Amino acid sequence: GAVVSQHPSWVICKSGTSVKIECRSLDFQATTMFWYRQFPKQSLMLMATSNEGSKATYEQGVEKDKFLINHASLTLSTLTVTSAHPEDSSFYICSAQRPGLPSYNEQFFGPGTRLTVL
Amino acid sequence: GQQLNQSPQSMFIQEGEDVSMNCTSSSIFNTWLWYKQDPGEGPVLLIALYKAGELTSNGRLTAQFGITRKDSFLNISASIPSDVGIYFCAGLLPGGKLIFGQGTELSVKP
Repeated sequence: GAVVSQHPSWVICKSGTSVKIECRSLDFQATTMFWYRQFPKQSLMLMATSNEGSKATYEQGVEKDKFLINHASLTLSTLTVTSAHPEDSSFYICSAQRPGLPSYNEQFFGPGTRLTVL
Repeated sequence: GQQLNQSPQSMFIQEGEDVSMNCTSSSIFNTWLWYKQDPGEGPVLLIALYKAGELTSNGRLTAQFGITRKDSFLNISASIPSDVGIYFCAGLLPGGKLIFGQGTELSVKP
């Protein structure tokens, strides 16, 4: 299957600082990537859709000024958590949509980034 | 909003036993997906279902897409220790968005 990487795999930061998480599709070009958030023992919740060359589309209840998304190239999307607070601590997972497959454009998930805000 | 109700929440089984989990939705989906997530990793696609009534297998895994397009089940036969993990159902929305069920945490005792 296709490979999607995330960097860093984990990060610990102080409250009030900003953290950038990268999502890369390593062997295909992705015009669309998605960012999810997962709390312990819970499901994945879609935060936003990242579109190459245009603004991200945020889900209801997700603050776009707090979670900045940039999809500057067909293989890279970044999520920046601005002014992080302890309640932002979570597991952030990206996925990249690979076009051209039958029936639907399969999403391939990254390994996730564990963010801990002190 | 749309929700997927997945059950059971957790299962503790003996190696070699068969497992069944299911998802129901209040809305119709045209594509239903089953994923497995290992601890500290992203989900990996197990089976994709595209047609109502479709029954699809992937090794020891079998999944069916309900006739009403509002439900699906996943069966795992002859479980092994590496089947341990969290299994999620997901429905595909327009634009490629996925909505996930709450997950079923599977534990397998050797």
